Amino acid sequence: DGGITQSPKYLFRKEGQNVTLSCEQNLNHDAMYWYRQDPGQGLRLIYYSQIVNDFQKGDIAEGYSVSREKKESFPLTVTSAQKNPTAFYLCASTMTWKQETQYFGPGTRLLVL
Amino acid sequence: AQSVTQLGSHVSVSEGALVLLRCNYSSSVPPYLFWYVQYPNQGLQLLLKYTTGATLVKGINGFEAEFKKSETSFHLTKPSAHMSDAAEYFCAVSGANDMRFGAGTRLTVKP
Repeated sequence: DGGITQSPKYLFRKEGQNVTLSCEQNLNHDAMYWYRQDPGQGLRLIYYSQIVNDFQKGDIAEGYSVSREKKESFPLTVTSAQKNPTAFYLCASTMTWKQETQYFGPGTRLLVL
Repeated sequence: AQSVTQLGSHVSVSEGALVLLRCNYSSSVPPYLFWYVQYPNQGLQLLLKYTTGATLVKGINGFEAEFKKSETSFHLTKPSAHMSDAAEYFCAVSGANDMRFGAGTRLTVKP
């Protein structure tokens, strides 16, 4: 089955620690996205990538970093600079960089110890 | 630039009653409009979308939405609510360069 997988489902971060959230897709999609979801705020765009080896900041990129070395993978690192990382993180993809349906992964919930 | 406003963060209906979730948008280009549903601790699933053509769009699980350009609205309806419809619903608008999501409406269905 084609789709998007995210791991882990739950992630705990200690203060000052960097953590990496995994996102993999086997849909052969060019574009991938990371969103942060907080209660009552909808989805906010952190980073997006239109194509391999290229990525752009979204609305709330501070404290986060990404890489896009492979078409199917778009990992997100939450750095120690992100002071309020507790949230639900969603990865999505679209076939191309156009006005298209976004396909979402199941999400990773990040909690701070 | 695009933006979406969902009217009502919480909506409660009785089982069998009409479901109406409201969405208004603004867009500088002809918009593509979407409704997604999210069940607890899961990702978003597409319910339906409007791109061009027929303004009444039918989706999965008996939901439909009507694109009204004059009112800049894309309200989601279902004639008869089922307990399994309880979830959070997001309206989204896609422009030339990005997709913007509303803040979401949590639907509760009472027995």
